[in-house]
Amino acid sequence: AQSVTQLGSHVSVSEGALVLLRCNYSSSVPPYLFWYVQYPNQGLQLLLKYTSAATLVKGINGFEAEFKKSETSFHLTKPSAHMRDAAEYFCAVSDKGVTGGGNKLTFGTGTQLKVEL
Amino acid sequence: NAGVTQTPKFQVLKTGQSMTLQCAQDMNHEYMSWYRQDPGMGLRLIHYSVGAGITDQGEVPNGYNVSRSTTEDFPLRLLSAAPSQTSVYFCASSYSTLLVGDNSPLHFGNGTRLTVT
Repeated sequence: AQSVTQLGSHVSVSEGALVLLRCNYSSSVPPYLFWYVQYPNQGLQLLLKYTSAATLVKGINGFEAEFKKSETSFHLTKPSAHMRDAAEYFCAVSDKGVTGGGNKLTFGTGTQLKVEL
Repeated sequence: NAGVTQTPKFQVLKTGQSMTLQCAQDMNHEYMSWYRQDPGMGLRLIHYSVGAGITDQGEVPNGYNVSRSTTEDFPLRLLSAAPSQTSVYFCASSYSTLLVGDNSPLHFGNGTRLTVT
C-alpha cells in the first residue's frame, strides 16, 4: 500500500525565513502526491499536486514542492514565511494504478508550522 | 458555491447512542469519502463511494455505516457510539479519476467534531 512519512510533527520558523516541510513516499511506481493545508477549525485545502507533468510544482500562497524520485521525496518549501502561513500541513499520496483508486488519498500525520516574529 | 457541507459542526453523544453525520456537495462529484482526524495520526479513510449506489470500506470502517442514494449526499452512521469514535470527521468529494483520467483533488467540508462520553 502507498504511504507517506512526514518528518517533524512541529516546525517553527521566524517570519521571513525559509519554510521546509519534509515528506517521503513509499510506492512501487511514481505516485500522485499532494500537499494540503489546514487552518484552525477548517477543512483541508489543496496547496499543490504532482501528477508527473513536471517535477517542480508551484502551488498557492507562494509554496512549491519538488518531486525527487531518487530520494522518494516531495518536500514543501516557501522562500519567506509569513504569519498567515501558520497552520497544519499534510502530505498525501493516491492509489495511482489501482482501478478506481485514484481518488483515495493516504495522508501523512501532519506537520504543524509555527511562524514567530 | 456551497461546496461540501457537513452538519452538525459539533456533537456530544453518550456511549451506545446512534447518530448520522450529514454530508452534501453541490459540485456533481461522483466520488465522496469520509475521513476521521485524530491527533498525531493524520486523516484515515473510513468509507468511500465512487457513485450513487456504490460504497466501499476504507482503512478504518468498523463501527460506521454509509449509503449513497443520491450523487449529492453521503451520510455516515454511527450505530452504537464508543469513546474511541471521539474524533473530527471530514467529508470530501471529487470528480472520479475513472472519468476525468487524472487525479482530481479532494474538496473538504469543515468537519464535525464528535465527542463520545
